[in-house]
Amino acid sequence: RKEVEQDPGPFNVPEGATVAFNCTYSNSASQSFFWYRQDCRKEPKLLMSVYSSGNEDGRFTAQLNRASQYISLLIRDSKLSDSATYLCVVNTPNDYKLSFGAGTTVTVRA
Amino acid sequence: EAEVAQSPRYKITEKSQAVAFWCDPISGHATLYWYRQILGQGPELLVQFQDESVVDDSQLPKDRFSAERLKGVDSTLKIQPAELGDSAMYLCASSLAWVAGNNEQFFGPGTRLTVL
Repeated sequence: RKEVEQDPGPFNVPEGATVAFNCTYSNSASQSFFWYRQDCRKEPKLLMSVYSSGNEDGRFTAQLNRASQYISLLIRDSKLSDSATYLCVVNTPNDYKLSFGAGTTVTVRA
Repeated sequence: EAEVAQSPRYKITEKSQAVAFWCDPISGHATLYWYRQILGQGPELLVQFQDESVVDDSQLPKDRFSAERLKGVDSTLKIQPAELGDSAMYLCASSLAWVAGNNEQFFGPGTRLTVL
């Protein structure tokens, strides 16, 4: 079983729509969680960290559910510029390694 | 804004040849990572350095891959000999510290390797 699993999508949504997707992780002892954004053929960039209480950054909301071992990302009022692959990243306890999911592709259309 | 530098950006080579990639992390970042990303997958850690020391190379295919960070600053990743399955994006990242929960990694633009 992979450490981090994501629905690859693609999620095709119109501008202005809300899109949400989840990521599951296998190690219940994982401590830190992140969403990275990766544009086509570019490097990943940190979008936001995910805190236990959930957190919001503008149109982006991240939630953590430790009991079910998943994190989610919700994008409100989608923009064309939100089109990207969103990588779920989980910290591996003890060795501080980050484990990356394969990514969820979002395409926002005009 | 400080960035992680990598070169070359693109490399095409024939199988059995040797290739080398270079990375210069953000100034002051003690931790440096090399990842391999195959198309359609997430980055996979190959090796992690803390200053000049390797702290994790468990996923590095040591029969053909080697990595060094001699002075604890820039780093080189080498493949010899290259195989068809090595075609991928090789990403370098750096972070200030090797601390759980506070280790935002900044990625370079990557080197896209194609092995023919």
